[in-house]
Amino acid sequence: GENVEQHPSTLSVQEGDSAVIKCTYSDSASNYFPWYKQELGKGPQLIIDIRSNVGEKKDQRIAVTLNKTAKHFSLHITETQPEDSAVYFCAASNYGQNFVFGPGTRLSVLP
Amino acid sequence: DAGVTQSPTHLIKTRGQQVTLRCSPKSGHDTVSWYQQALGQGPQFIFQYYEEEERQRGNFPDRFSGHQFPNYSSELNVNALLLGDSALYLCASSLGTQGGTEAFFGQGTRLTVV
Repeated sequence: GENVEQHPSTLSVQEGDSAVIKCTYSDSASNYFPWYKQELGKGPQLIIDIRSNVGEKKDQRIAVTLNKTAKHFSLHITETQPEDSAVYFCAASNYGQNFVFGPGTRLSVLP
Repeated sequence: DAGVTQSPTHLIKTRGQQVTLRCSPKSGHDTVSWYQQALGQGPQFIFQYYEEEERQRGNFPDRFSGHQFPNYSSELNVNALLLGDSALYLCASSLGTQGGTEAFFGQGTRLTVV
């Protein structure tokens, strides 16, 4: 079955700097890759996603890139703000909508 | 437009008991998936319901069962609770069972088994 790895497990950046989180997946059939942000005591919130027919997608300060050949995808957050501090999860799925999640990255943005 | 709602938010049960968790999907969504999230880990897929039937199941024992109602809401039942069942239980709703569509999560139910 699918296996998703995620690095780093923790990340601290200064406010205004960029943050990059990387994920790899094992199943070449996976074709949908969402990213979720989870704040303490809350459920995961979808922040951006990418499908396998696209190499890059941007939404304001957030971007995701996908390399299907290498089976890895990355989340890029620019101009980080304290409210970006949370745990971020990548996930992979193929048809059927059952996501396999990575173990998460705890991002801390220091003022 | 209400998002995904789950109840209760917190629950404490004794080992061996049974528990029922509830989920109402986002308006317009017809598919509900349940996930278990242990502390410090990513969510793990339990099962998915569509058209009132279990469509997919993850690696969870038969103690975990579910139901979907005609209004698309869903229940997760866990029998013979173990201490290891303590976790955040998340419900996600989406439209259809084809891949590549957005899934939205509720705030979760924190289950503590003592």
